[in-house]
Amino acid sequence: RKEVEQDPGPFNVPEGATVAFNCTYSNSASQSFFWYRQDCRKEPKLLMSVYSSGNEDGRFTAQLNRASQYISLLIRDSKLSDSATYLCVVNGKGTALIFGKGTTLSVSS
Amino acid sequence: DGGITQSPKYLFRKEGQNVTLSCEQNLNHDAMYWYRQDPGQGLRLIYYSQIVNDFQKGDIAEGYSVSREKKESFPLTVTSAQKNPTAFYLCASSAGSIGEQFFGPGTRLTVL
Repeated sequence: RKEVEQDPGPFNVPEGATVAFNCTYSNSASQSFFWYRQDCRKEPKLLMSVYSSGNEDGRFTAQLNRASQYISLLIRDSKLSDSATYLCVVNGKGTALIFGKGTTLSVSS
Repeated sequence: DGGITQSPKYLFRKEGQNVTLSCEQNLNHDAMYWYRQDPGQGLRLIYYSQIVNDFQKGDIAEGYSVSREKKESFPLTVTSAQKNPTAFYLCASSAGSIGEQFFGPGTRLTVL
């Protein structure tokens, strides 16, 4: 299994749709989990941290399943401005964060 | 404003030349990182530093060098030994070793 694996997409959805991204990770000892957003030709920006109990920030919900080693991100009521690449990030062996290759979302009107 | 700055935004280099990319942060973070991103690819770790005067190789350190003489600064040198240096280079910092990282705006390096 790759260290952090995501479906690359693209996911093409209409405005208002609900879309979910999944990510799997290989290191069962990982402690930190994040979702980042990266716009075209820009730097990644932290979208949200992912906690064991699950967490929500407005239209975004993140969940962690340690037993199955996967993380999910749910976006409700998609906006045009949500179009971006979403990176799943997990801390690997040692101290470094491991970035997935990203899932591309395109929201259309 | 607190943040991370990288310069230059765009850099063109002739084959055989060394170039140095600047990264400065005023977030008082101990850890700093350099990543490389190629089109359609994820971020790959080049070097990281958890404390001044100490740094470790990442997954793709060959052809690169770094220094960490000040907490605020972590410059990356792309040497002529790097066979395919054209890429988007991102610098990041974090307060702790496994916490969230904050990124600078990046430098696009093109080898002519």
